[in-house]
Parts: sequence; structure tokens; C-alpha cells
Amino acid sequence: EVQLLESGGGLVQPGGSLRLSCAASGFTFSNFAMNWVRQAPGKGLELVSAISGSGGSTYYADSVKGRFTISRDSSKNTLYLQMNTLRAEDTAVYYCANFDWGYWGQGTLVTVSS
Amino acid sequence: EIVLTQSPATLSLSPGERATLSCRASQSVSNYLAWYQQKPGQAPRLLIYDASTRATGIPARFSGSGSGTDFTLTISSLEPEDFAVYYCQQRSNWPITFGGGTKVEIK
Repeated sequence: EVQLLESGGGLVQPGGSLRLSCAASGFTFSNFAMNWVRQAPGKGLELVSAISGSGGSTYYADSVKGRFTISRDSSKNTLYLQMNTLRAEDTAVYYCANFDWGYWGQGTLVTVSS
Repeated sequence: EIVLTQSPATLSLSPGERATLSCRASQSVSNYLAWYQQKPGQAPRLLIYDASTRATGIPARFSGSGSGTDFTLTISSLEPEDFAVYYCQQRSNWPITFGGGTKVEIK
């Protein structure tokens, strides 16, 4: 059974940092690109960042470029999102997702507020 | 960036009725179009990929059609569990983008 389990969300002050993790199981993690998608309260879906299977290629939405860093550790089957200089507008549920197979985690809530 | 426009924003229907949802792309995405269903508090669930192929376990009442720039998701007869928000997604060009969603609500 495929599982994607996010962790690391929480309440952080503006300007602060968080690192999200996504533990993957049930498929060959290193073979697939992985993605972070966020959903602000009451809003739609936004692709925040993506990384190729090898980790050699990455994508960032303009809204997070220079502040967020995506990475992966295939030895641990884990995807990461390092989020720095957080802003109120980064408040959202963050999902990790494999679009090739349509697998999504349950999401982790990030709240940026003083 | 390819913009996906979904219509209508809200669809008010009764159980048993047919639902027709539209997704229009700002440029051709060939058939690299997927549909997701999302219920409150849950992650999106893949329904359709490659415009018309149902994902594993998706009931036959869900069907997708279209290619190029115009796509349709049809739910032939709404079940109570089908009332949700539906998103289209294109994987033709980077960045991958999503439509704004169509909410199917109970009339």
C-alpha cells in the first residue's frame, strides 16, 4: 500500500522557518518526481515546488523562490521542504504528492502568524 | 504558464442528476489533463488521468473527455458522496498547473 506521510507543520511567526518532511512507502521512491502542493484556507491548489527522481532538477513557484528549498533523501524515502522567511500568505495545508500515480499525503498545516 | 479555467464555479444539482464540468486551457495540453475530487478536510483524489482514463477504483459513472484545450468531466448520475470540489490539472508543460475548481453542491 502506498503511503505519503507529511510532518513538520505548525504555528510559526512571520520571518520564521519550518522544515516539512514526507515519508514515502509502498513504491520505488527514487524512480519518481515528487511535489509539494499547498492549499490556503478556502482556496485552490498551488504547486509550490517539485524535484526530479534523481534530485538533480527542481522547480519553485515564483511566490516561494529564494525562500523555500526542496530536497529528497532516497536512502530514507523522504521528501523535504525547508521553508525560510515565512510570511502570512504562506499559511496553508501543505501536501506532498506523486502526480505520476496520483498519490497524495494527508497534508500538514502551516500557520504563519504573530 | 498554462492557465486552466474551470466552469461553472458552482454547480447545484440533486442526487441522480448528471453533472457536466468544464476545464479550458489557455493553450493546448494535448491529453495531459487530470481530474481530482476533494472533500472537506481531505487530500485530493485522482479520478481521471490522460483526459479520459479512470484511475484505479474510480466508479464508471465518472468519465472524462476532450483534448487540446477543452475538457469535460461528466458524472452520469450523482451519488451523495460525489458532492465535493473538482479540480483539473495539466501536466503538459511546466509548471504543472491546476484549475480554480468547481464545487458540486446539493440543490
